[in-house]
Amino acid sequence: GAVVSQHPSWVICKSGTSVKIECRSLDFQATTMFWYRQFPKQSLMLMATSNEGSKATYEQGVEKDKFLINHASLTLSTLTVTSAHPEDSSFYICSARDSGEGTDTQYFGPGTRLTVL
Amino acid sequence: QKEVEQNSGPLSVPEGAIASLNCTYSDRGSQSFFWYRQYSGKSPELIMSIYSNGDKEDGRFTAQLNKASQYVSLLIRDSQPSDSATYLCAVSRNFNKFYFGSGTKLNVKP
Repeated sequence: GAVVSQHPSWVICKSGTSVKIECRSLDFQATTMFWYRQFPKQSLMLMATSNEGSKATYEQGVEKDKFLINHASLTLSTLTVTSAHPEDSSFYICSARDSGEGTDTQYFGPGTRLTVL
Repeated sequence: QKEVEQNSGPLSVPEGAIASLNCTYSDRGSQSFFWYRQYSGKSPELIMSIYSNGDKEDGRFTAQLNKASQYVSLLIRDSQPSDSATYLCAVSRNFNKFYFGSGTKLNVKP
């Protein structure tokens, strides 16, 4: 299957700081990437859909000014958690849509575990 | 009503048995269906995708789709302890948005 990477895999930061998470599709071009958040023992929660070259579409209840998404190229999307607070501590997972010849599937990155002190 | 419904489990099966995981969805216009496996603390990993009615087999895994009943299932033959994980069902109408179930936890006992 297609490979999606995320960086960093984990990050610890102080309250009030901003954290940037990168998501890359390594062997395919992804016009669409998705950002999810998952709290312990809970299901995936879609935060936003990111399309290359356009503004992200945020799910209801997700603050777009707090979670800044940039999809600058067909292989890179970034999520910046601004002014992070302890309640933002979570497992953030990106995924990328591979719609190449004969396929149309979503592949997940390995996730980024964010801890805000 | 949730877009995708799964029994949260846990589903416990003995090693070597067949594990049967089920999923129902509400959008009759859904076109694509996926099963992901998620180990604790890890991100989901794609196991199977299925797009048309019937069965699709890949190794020990078989996905079954019945669009009339809005039902998708995953069968795992010869279950192994390493199959113990949470299995997520995902459904998409047009690939612009995927709806995930809350997952079924599977325990395979040695």
